[in-house]
Amino acid sequence: DTAVSQTPKYLVTQMGNDKSIKCEQNLGHDTMYWYKQDSKKFLKIMFSYNNKELIINETVPNRFSPKSPDKAHLNLHINSLELGDSAVYFCASSQERGNYGYTFGSGTRLTVV
Amino acid sequence: DAKTTQPPSMDCAEGRAANLPCNHSTISGNEYVYWYRQIHSQGPQYIIHGLKNNETNEMASLIITEDRKSSTLILPHATLRDTAVYYCIVTGANSKLTFGKGITLSVRP
Repeated sequence: DTAVSQTPKYLVTQMGNDKSIKCEQNLGHDTMYWYKQDSKKFLKIMFSYNNKELIINETVPNRFSPKSPDKAHLNLHINSLELGDSAVYFCASSQERGNYGYTFGSGTRLTVV
Repeated sequence: DAKTTQPPSMDCAEGRAANLPCNHSTISGNEYVYWYRQIHSQGPQYIIHGLKNNETNEMASLIITEDRKSSTLILPHATLRDTAVYYCIVTGANSKLTFGKGITLSVRP
């Protein structure tokens, strides 16, 4: 059983399109995150939800909108995709805001052409 | 505003212990030291964390100096599958995980 699963694994799309990445965790964790890893391999946090409530919202363009229908799911919707959005996006989850470590998904490689 | 300093890379021989250093001289009293690793193209993986005392689990040991200004992650018997980027992260309870550049460990046969 995959603990944190993301779909799709790969996503190739044209500039200007709108796309979504889905994330689900079956660990019973109460906090979920989205991270972005760019071509230089830096991992940066984008958003965090705790029990469906947004608790971290880093400086991310408004084109990125997270949605958490329940505490086991955190989806990422991206409007008007740009070339610079090309990256690997990782979803993660934790219990008690990460005091016991985060569990990451395997990533979604987004390529905007 | 990096809170940790790690060498960019190191290598070790397979089967030997890998000792990965980390400096965190500005750590606060309530901040923890976490270690994660990222094997190529995979998501980061939690390894271990500690506050003051040394910690050990099935993956590694974490040695924190008495003044807490530095720590060492020890992989007791490195294998080729341990080749990865290792991140030392200092963060408080309920705080976000901020990744730096990490150290690239290469395990050679």
